[in-house]
Amino acid sequence: SAVISQKPSRDICQRGTSLTIQCQVDSQVTMMFWYRQQPGQSLTLIATANQGSEATYESGFVIDKFPISRPNLTFSTLTVSNMSPEDSSIYLCSVPRTGRNFFGPGTRLTVL
Amino acid sequence: QKEVEQDPGPLSVPEGAIVSLNCTYSNSAFQYFMWYRQYSRKGPELLMYTYSSGNKEDGRFTAQVDKSSKYISLFIRDSQPSDSATYLCAMSAKNTDKLIFGTGTRLQVFP
Repeated sequence: SAVISQKPSRDICQRGTSLTIQCQVDSQVTMMFWYRQQPGQSLTLIATANQGSEATYESGFVIDKFPISRPNLTFSTLTVSNMSPEDSSIYLCSVPRTGRNFFGPGTRLTVL
Repeated sequence: QKEVEQDPGPLSVPEGAIVSLNCTYSNSAFQYFMWYRQYSRKGPELLMYTYSSGNKEDGRFTAQVDKSSKYISLFIRDSQPSDSATYLCAMSAKNTDKLIFGTGTRLQVFP
């Protein structure tokens, strides 16, 4: 398995502000994934973060709204920019290892 | 139509019951099938992983894949209150780590 930590675990933010979520993995990985889990919905892939290159975003997600950094092979950040109440979700990072995907504990974001 | 369909429940069963959780999918390219368990306020935890069709058993859990029907199942025998969680099916095509998830089924096992 993989040991994945996320910070913060939860936050309550005001509309129009931004929040940066951190993801730390216990060993080096090539790819890291960021998912969103909206209330009552399935997990949806936001983007794939590769070290040394731009993140690859899925349809419906853009870099201006969800900028991602990947400074090294064990760490990534996701920023949720200019937040609105519709961004209230759980945000999860995930890493593949031995063909399986492992998830962090998630960041529960509430936007007022 | 969603790529992966899963009944959201909730499913409420007595302790000791056999639980059957199911997902259907539409993309015939899916080759890898997973079940995750997610407790409240936690991240998803990988429970079962199968490749292509067939059965896989791990303790009280059995995962079943029927690719001809595009249907996967997770069976839980002798269910316990500690099994109360949301169960998510997920799948991916060959040569990709991107997962497509079902909406999750909330299971409650009462004593």
